[in-house]
Amino acid sequence: GAGVSQTPSNKVTEKGKYVELRCDPISGHTALYWYRQSLGQGPEFLIYFQGTGAADDSGLPNDRFFAVRPEGSVSTLKIQRTERGDSAVYLCASSWDSSLNTEAFFGQGTRLTVV
Amino acid sequence: RKEVEQDPGPFNVPEGATVAFNCTYSNSASQSFFWYRQDCRKEPKLLMSVYSSGNEDGRFTAQLNRASQYISLLIRDSKLSDSATYLCVVNHADSSYKLIFGSGTRLLVRP
Repeated sequence: GAGVSQTPSNKVTEKGKYVELRCDPISGHTALYWYRQSLGQGPEFLIYFQGTGAADDSGLPNDRFFAVRPEGSVSTLKIQRTERGDSAVYLCASSWDSSLNTEAFFGQGTRLTVV
Repeated sequence: RKEVEQDPGPFNVPEGATVAFNCTYSNSASQSFFWYRQDCRKEPKLLMSVYSSGNEDGRFTAQLNRASQYISLLIRDSKLSDSATYLCVVNHADSSYKLIFGSGTRLLVRP
C-alpha cells in the first residue's frame, strides 16, 4: 500500500515568500506529525494532530508557522514570510494512533531552501 | 544538555565486524525507546523498538538500561548495506506521542 506522501519533494523560495507543504498520510492513520530536520541533526518535533485537531503545536518555532488538517487526513504546513533559517527538510509522519510503541511512518520529506 | 545524546561517529568498520552504538537520554520518565535508521537523503525508518529486557532481531541487538538512562545497539556481522545513520529515539516524558531524536551515529561499512 502507499506510504506517507509529501509534496513537493523540493521547494526553493525567496526570503519573505509564503510556502505550503503538503502531507498525505497512510490511509486510516489518525495521528499525524510534522518534524523538521537540519543537516547533521535528528528530526525535531513541530506539531501533532489527532484527527482534525492540533493536539500539540508546542514545537512550532514562531507564529510564522501554522498547520492544518481539516478533514483528518491530508495536512498542510504553512510558513509565512520565510527566512533563510527556515531552510531544512520538513518531514511528515503518521501512525495508527499515538499510544506507546506505535510505529510512526515517515514520508520522504520536503527539502525547503530559502534564498 | 540535549535530551538524547549520541556519538556522531562516523564509525568506519570492515564487513563482518561487530559494532556497537550507545545513546544516553536525560529524562528518566521516558517510556518508549527506539532505534531508527536513516539512509542519506531518505526518511527515517524504524529499525527496532527497545525493551527493558533487551531484544534481538537477526544481527541486531538492542539493550536498555533504565538506571543509567542508556540505550545501546549492537550490529553483528556488518554488511555493506548497513551503512547509514542510526538515530536513537525516546518518547517525551510528558507527551508520549512526541518523539525526541538524537543527532544520529553514522556507520560506514567498507568492503
